[in-house]
Order: sequence, then structure tokens, then C-alpha cells
Amino acid sequence: EDQVTQSPEALRLQEGESSSLNCSYTVSGLRGLFWYRQDPGKGPEFLFTLYSAGEEKEKERLKATLTKKESFLHITAPKPEDSATYLCAVQLFGSQGNLIFGKGTKLSVKP
Amino acid sequence: NAGVTQTPKFQVLKTGQSMTLQCAQDMNHNSMYWYRQDPGMGLRLIYYSASEGTTDKGEVPNGYNVSRLNKREFSLRLESAAPSQTSVYFCASTTRDGTYGYTFGSGTRLTVV
Repeated sequence: EDQVTQSPEALRLQEGESSSLNCSYTVSGLRGLFWYRQDPGKGPEFLFTLYSAGEEKEKERLKATLTKKESFLHITAPKPEDSATYLCAVQLFGSQGNLIFGKGTKLSVKP
Repeated sequence: NAGVTQTPKFQVLKTGQSMTLQCAQDMNHNSMYWYRQDPGMGLRLIYYSASEGTTDKGEVPNGYNVSRLNKREFSLRLESAAPSQTSVYFCASTTRDGTYGYTFGSGTRLTVV
């Protein structure tokens, strides 16, 4: 069964304290891995797509990396405005674009 | 603003009532999706439409029907609402292969009592 697991479920950081979120996957035929940010009461907001092992993408304080079994979202020197739930999703070959989501990591950054 | 628009934002139904959730996108996307989000469960796919004129079941289709009215609009219907359908519903759209990510609407929070 195709599965996406995110850890930790929740993460509390002090402002400026760098850390990483993990997304591990067990799927048949990964086409792409997506990272989203979701604020309370809002829909997910697209951050990155990664397609091949070794690929990296950056946006402001966020950097996403991909291996054959997992992806990391590194947050460097986070600010309180980075507080949100971060969702990981995978797209499989032949899936007509459907995404399989993990349950998310809720990040809180305290000033 | 360009994006995905969902209506209504909030709805309370009694068990057995019916309703239709509306979704429209103005980005000329081919594919559209309906997800539900429940605490501790993550986002789960209900139905999708890979292109205008086609619809298919996702992971949790029971109790729902959909209509791809045209390229812009994709509606989700609950024929006889049940308390288990209390959830937040999100519509999303993307280009045919999803290369540039999926754009989500702001959601419909549905409570069935």
C-alpha cells in the first residue's frame, strides 16, 4: 500500500532555531513529491515540487531535499511567521495527477 | 484574483439533507479535485476530474457525487448527508500533469448534525 509518513507531528522552535521536517514514503513509482504550507482556516499553499533523488529547492528560509525514500524540509533561522502546518504529498506515475498526502507537521515558532 | 473559489465557506446540515459544494477556477487548468480534511487523517481524495468531461472516484467516494460542468467548474454533491461527512472540503486544480503544483481553494467547513 502506498504510504506517506510525516514526522514529527508537532515541532516547537524558538525564533532562529533551525530544524528539519521529515517526509518518508513507501510508494510504487514516484513521479513527484510536493510540499505545502497550510495556515489555520485556509487551503494548502504550494511550496515546492521535487522529482528526482538529489534534487534541492529553496525559498527564503525553506529548503527541500529528496532522496529515494524520504524528503526533508529544512527551516533555517525560522521566524514566528513560519508557524503553520507543513504537508507533504506524493504523485505517482499513472495516477492522473492524484496526490497522496501525509498527515502534516504542525510547526510553532516562538519569539 | 486568479485562483480557486469555493462556495459556501460554512454550512450546517441536518442528517439526510442534501447540498452541493461549488468550485470554480480561472487558471485554465485541465484537472480538478475534491479532498476532505479531517483531524488526524490528513487530506483524502474524494473524486477527481482529469479533464473536462471525465470524472473518477478517489479514496473515499461513498456518499458523494460530482459534476464537471465545464472546464472551470467542478461541483460536489451530498445526496443524503450523514454526521460522518462532517469535515472541511477542499477543491484543487492543476495543469494536466501537476508540474507547477496544485492550487487549492480556501475550503468549505461542513457540519452535519
